[in-house]
Amino acid sequence: NAGVTQTPKFRVLKTGQSMTLLCAQDMNHEYMYWYRQDPGMGLRLIHYSVGEGTTAKGEVPDGYNVSRLKKQNFLLGLESAAPSQTSVYFCASSYSTSGGTSSYNEQFFGPGTRLTVL
Amino acid sequence: GDSVTQMEGPVTLSEEAFLTINCTYTATGYPSLFWYVQYPGEGLQLLLKATKADDKGSNKGFEATYRKETTSFHLEKGSVQVSDSAVYFCALRRRGATNKLIFGTGTLLAVQP
Repeated sequence: NAGVTQTPKFRVLKTGQSMTLLCAQDMNHEYMYWYRQDPGMGLRLIHYSVGEGTTAKGEVPDGYNVSRLKKQNFLLGLESAAPSQTSVYFCASSYSTSGGTSSYNEQFFGPGTRLTVL
Repeated sequence: GDSVTQMEGPVTLSEEAFLTINCTYTATGYPSLFWYVQYPGEGLQLLLKATKADDKGSNKGFEATYRKETTSFHLEKGSVQVSDSAVYFCALRRRGATNKLIFGTGTLLAVQP
């Protein structure tokens, strides 16, 4: 199993350009997540999905769109990139919570995409 | 809102030294608590977790105890190795939340031989 993979690993954009980051998982997980990691701020949730065809906003959704057309893929789009979106982007996936308020299913993370917007 | 506060790094230790990385949290109710580790160039991996007060999570020689009275979940290891050099993240999940995690800012640990 490849686990969670992300494409591309690195990218440099100019302000105003668009791009799509691809996340793929082969673990048949229902939930998928997109985070950004910035120095001194930890990881912050951008958008997430609880199943194929569904998406929801996280903590910092502005300037990003997502799509989950297939269960194994979760795409993150930047329509008009800004320097403030320079960051490392991580995708993660997990099984759904199995019921009860104390259950937790581990999130598995991809290796990240380093994006620089000039 | 819910939040996690970690000690700022970097933490630099010699091999076989004792490690403590402090983590405190603010949350309504009784969240589940986690430590994740990020090795250079890689994504995050779950290191250990605790789901209720007084639980102790442990893995690979690391331990953390869920202290409700002090709202803390400090990470400890008795004898660090060079291979433990990484960034460590404390995180919480509020009960009822859709598996969403709230992370601390991360603490860089550098272990010197």
